[in-house]
Amino acid sequence: TQLLEQSPQFLSIQEGENLTVYCNSSSVFSSLQWYRQEPGEGPVLLVTVVTGGEVKKLKRLTFQFGDARKDSSLHITAAQTGDTGLYLCAGAGGNYGQNFVFGPGTRLSVLP
Amino acid sequence: NAGVMQNPRHLVRRRGQEARLRCSPMKGHSHVYWYRQLPEEGLKFMVYLQKENIIDESGMPKERFSAEFPKEGPSILRIQQVVRGDSAAYFCASSPGGANVLTFGAGSRLTVL
Repeated sequence: TQLLEQSPQFLSIQEGENLTVYCNSSSVFSSLQWYRQEPGEGPVLLVTVVTGGEVKKLKRLTFQFGDARKDSSLHITAAQTGDTGLYLCAGAGGNYGQNFVFGPGTRLSVLP
Repeated sequence: NAGVMQNPRHLVRRRGQEARLRCSPMKGHSHVYWYRQLPEEGLKFMVYLQKENIIDESGMPKERFSAEFPKEGPSILRIQQVVRGDSAAYFCASSPGGANVLTFGAGSRLTVL
């Protein structure tokens, strides 16, 4: 069974600070996605990383996929209150490689 | 181009009743996934379907739960004889065949009294 762990579980910071959250597994994934979920809504895809060592930037968000494709990190620069939400990582896995195994998430609160 | 549509958004049932949750995938998407989310937790995979076929139901409880995705119409997740532990948010996601990207609906929140 492929499992994903995320850390920290909760994070509360002031607006303008930088932060990094992590997604780790003992399994190799063919790809990994990061989603953000706001209260009362479904997760929204932020990025997909496929190649080991890949780095992708989305405005103030930087995503990195580990060389061995077992872990990933999300770094946010100069956090804003609008970044508040649950950040979920998901690895492509399952019996047919089409299922997405989700981590438990990091709940981020950015305070004004 | 509407996204993934789920209804009802909120559903209240008494113990022993049946719950039916519907999901219409994005236009052009033939793959549907159902996930369950408990408060303060991540998403737990339940079932993966293509049109008229269940591909993987390894995350679905063996009893009381069933899912279908007919040739015409939405995918339906059916929970019979609901119990309080079934209270959760149920999310549907869709993808085009073979793609590694999921588009989620807004979820259906089931409350069992």
